[in-house]
Amino acid sequence: RKEVEQDPGPFNVPEGATVAFNCTYSNSASQSFFWYRQDCRKEPKLLMSVYSSGNEDGRFTAQLNRASQYISLLIRDSKLSDSATYLCVVNMGETGFQKLVFGTGTRLLVSP
Amino acid sequence: EAGVAQSPRYKIIEKRQSVAFWCNPISGHATLYWYQQILGQGPKLLIQFQNNGVVDDSQLPKDRFSAERLKGVDSTLKIQPAKLEDSAVYLCASSFLGGEGNEQFFGPGTRLTVL
Repeated sequence: RKEVEQDPGPFNVPEGATVAFNCTYSNSASQSFFWYRQDCRKEPKLLMSVYSSGNEDGRFTAQLNRASQYISLLIRDSKLSDSATYLCVVNMGETGFQKLVFGTGTRLLVSP
Repeated sequence: EAGVAQSPRYKIIEKRQSVAFWCNPISGHATLYWYQQILGQGPKLLIQFQNNGVVDDSQLPKDRFSAERLKGVDSTLKIQPAKLEDSAVYLCASSFLGGEGNEQFFGPGTRLTVL
């Protein structure tokens, strides 16, 4: 089983649509979780951290279910500029250390 | 503020040749990471430095890969000899410290093609 699993997509959606990405992770001891965004041929950039209580940043909502070892990202009112690959990332380092494990990424294509 | 700098941006070599990549992290960042990203996959951590010491190199293929950060600032990653499967983007990242809560900032990467 992969340490971090994602559906690779691509997800093709029209502008204005709502789209959800899911991710599962293998290490139940993991403490911190993130979504990164990677544009084509560019470096990954932090989109948002994921907290147990769930968190929202504008049109983006991230949720964590520790019992199911499941992370999600919801994008509302999709924009053309949201087209990118979304990487689910889990910190699997020992307490106090950071060892990020990346999923393969889910590709999103938003069309007019 | 200047970001993470990497060079070269692109490199094409033949198998069994050697290659080196250079990274200059964000000023003041103590922790430096090298990742390998193969096409269609997420980045995979190769090695992590805290200042000039190695924190984690468990996924570095040490028979052919080496890395150093002698003065605790910039870093070099070397492959010798290269194999076809080393074709990938090599990403350098840095963070202020290595602990949780310290965001990693990535450089633009070096795209390596091994023929």
